[in-house]
Amino acid sequence: KNQVEQSPQSLIILEGKNCTLQCNYTVSPFSNLRWYKQDTGRGPVSLTIMTFSENTKSNGRYTATLDADTKQSSLHITASQLSDSASYICVVSAITGGSYIPTFGRGTSLIVHP
Amino acid sequence: DAGVIQSPRHEVTEMGQEVTLRCKPISGHDYLFWYRQTMMRGLELLIYFNNNVPIDDSGMPEDRFSAKMPNASFSTLKIQPSEPRDSAVYFCASSLAQFVHEQFFGPGTRLTVL
Repeated sequence: KNQVEQSPQSLIILEGKNCTLQCNYTVSPFSNLRWYKQDTGRGPVSLTIMTFSENTKSNGRYTATLDADTKQSSLHITASQLSDSASYICVVSAITGGSYIPTFGRGTSLIVHP
Repeated sequence: DAGVIQSPRHEVTEMGQEVTLRCKPISGHDYLFWYRQTMMRGLELLIYFNNNVPIDDSGMPEDRFSAKMPNASFSTLKIQPSEPRDSAVYFCASSLAQFVHEQFFGPGTRLTVL
């Protein structure tokens, strides 16, 4: 069964600090891994998309890494800002019979305090 | 572009009533996705379309749910009859392709079935 586990479930940090969110998955056959940011009351916004051959991808202060061997990904946030307070969702997609099959993590809730 | 547009933003209805959710994807996007998000289950893919044709509806929970895409700029998700357990936020998303292209989410429709 395809699964995506995210940790921690929630995290509180001070503004300006760095943090790292984890995503472990058992999804096969692997197609890509996406990180989304979801503000309260809004739809998810894509941060990064990585395929099997990509180890790291950055989007501003967000850097995602992927280790396809250990089936782990991380999202590193540098110099956090109050606006980073949100839920961060890891989505791992498989391709089966040409169809897109996403498996969603439950998300990490990040709170950045001033 | 205004992004993905969903209507209504909020819907409150009574059990047994028909509910229709609407979505206008980003112009030029070939793929349209319907998702559901609840506290208990997180995000789930319900169905997706390619060039107005349903590709995979295996995520549709029951026959009470149906989705259509009569043209490239409009899709509906219908629940008939609605039940309290259908209460959730329903998101529509669109993208240029299904596998490694960014998906753009709408603001969602918060459905409450009493």
